[in-house]
Amino acid sequence: GNSVTQMEGPVTLSEEAFLTINCTYTATGYPSLFWYVQYPGEGLQLLLKATKADDKGSNKGFEATYRKETTSFHLEKGSVQVSDSAVYFCALIDPGAGNMLTFGGGTRLMVKP
Amino acid sequence: DVKVTQSSRYLVKRTGEKVFLECVQDMDHENMFWYRQDPGLGLRLIYFSYDVKMKEKGDIPEGYSVSREKKERFSLILESASTNQTSMYLCASSLTYRGGYGYTFGSGTRLTVV
Repeated sequence: GNSVTQMEGPVTLSEEAFLTINCTYTATGYPSLFWYVQYPGEGLQLLLKATKADDKGSNKGFEATYRKETTSFHLEKGSVQVSDSAVYFCALIDPGAGNMLTFGGGTRLMVKP
Repeated sequence: DVKVTQSSRYLVKRTGEKVFLECVQDMDHENMFWYRQDPGLGLRLIYFSYDVKMKEKGDIPEGYSVSREKKERFSLILESASTNQTSMYLCASSLTYRGGYGYTFGSGTRLTVV
């Protein structure tokens, strides 16, 4: 079956530090990959996505590249802000498995001024 | 942009009450989903629906039921609320053949059962 594994948090960084949150996946088909962000007390928002190998998704300074050879979709940001403090979820949809979204466990990011 | 609206942000209900959580989407999505989110347990799928009047159990359907009488509306029902159903509830919707677009989530309903 499909699965998503992401690094456990919390990740604590100082403002302007470089961020990497690792995500690897297992899928039987050829999935689309997503990063969702959840700010405190809110629902999930789509942050970025990639639908095929070597695609790079980007939004709000965040980037992630679909790496089929390493089955990874790591989230990066060059300079984090306090406002980036949130929980980040890596996820995939495998069209060959009924278009159900499979989530990782989430990684809490805390950015200190 | 697709919008998924959950009727309440916060609810407090008493044990044994029948509770309705409402979710409406405005972009003609076929699929709708209910999740609950608890610390340390991530997001767990309760029920989903791929068409009007159709429903499928997710991973944790016990104690819940759903209703989808219209395409845009998906209701989660707690037949007799219990304290272990205190949680954050998230509704989502998606298109069937557009997996590359992912799901769109509502803002969540934080339910407290006392």
